[in-house]
Amino acid sequence: DAKTTQPPSMDCAEGRAANLPCNHSTISGNEYVYWYRQIHSQGPQYIIHGLKNNETNEMASLIITEDRKSSTLILPHATLRDTAVYYCIVRAPFNDYKLSFGAGTTVTVRA
Amino acid sequence: KAGVTQTPRYLIKTRGQQVTLSCSPISGHRSVSWYQQTPGQGLQFLFEYFSETQRNKGNFPGRFSGRQFSNSRSEMNVSTLELGDSALYLCASSLGDRLDEQFFGPGTRLTVL
Repeated sequence: DAKTTQPPSMDCAEGRAANLPCNHSTISGNEYVYWYRQIHSQGPQYIIHGLKNNETNEMASLIITEDRKSSTLILPHATLRDTAVYYCIVRAPFNDYKLSFGAGTTVTVRA
Repeated sequence: KAGVTQTPRYLIKTRGQQVTLSCSPISGHRSVSWYQQTPGQGLQFLFEYFSETQRNKGNFPGRFSGRQFSNSRSEMNVSTLELGDSALYLCASSLGDRLDEQFFGPGTRLTVL
């Protein structure tokens, strides 16, 4: 049973911001939103996670709506190296340690 | 700081054989998790080790086993290989606290012929 819904693919121009949406309408109060990405033939890479506040790190920003039913991952200045499959997952880390990815969004950054 | 390393990167085996994969976590990380990734099933959790003890286990048959050493390095073993075991096997390490992010290695690509 998928807990998140993401668009299957999206394109982005190099140097522009990439906004990746994720719907998680059944999220529980103790579940966090995590984002990972996987570049072809590499292991998944952690990007960012949050509970209810917006978060920012050196890679990206995470915007979570007030009702927590959806979120957006923002890559501020996309580069060709950001081309990857991006996975949005929700989990309660204290109850369910394992990670489980859905189909994700294939992001292609074009020059 | 060095990342998670996995050896070997590629492996070809035949049905019925067994295989051992190795994972060296990031220095200071005490938790190591193993995942299997296939195009059809996606990412599936195998097990997690913390301080040499298996702390969590996924729904895989007993042919899949693992262990962790005192230096936090981990190995997983698959016995009596089947064609369906062909996959990318990923190892992820973390400090061990439940909120810590998991850092993945590059994976071992296992092909069973």
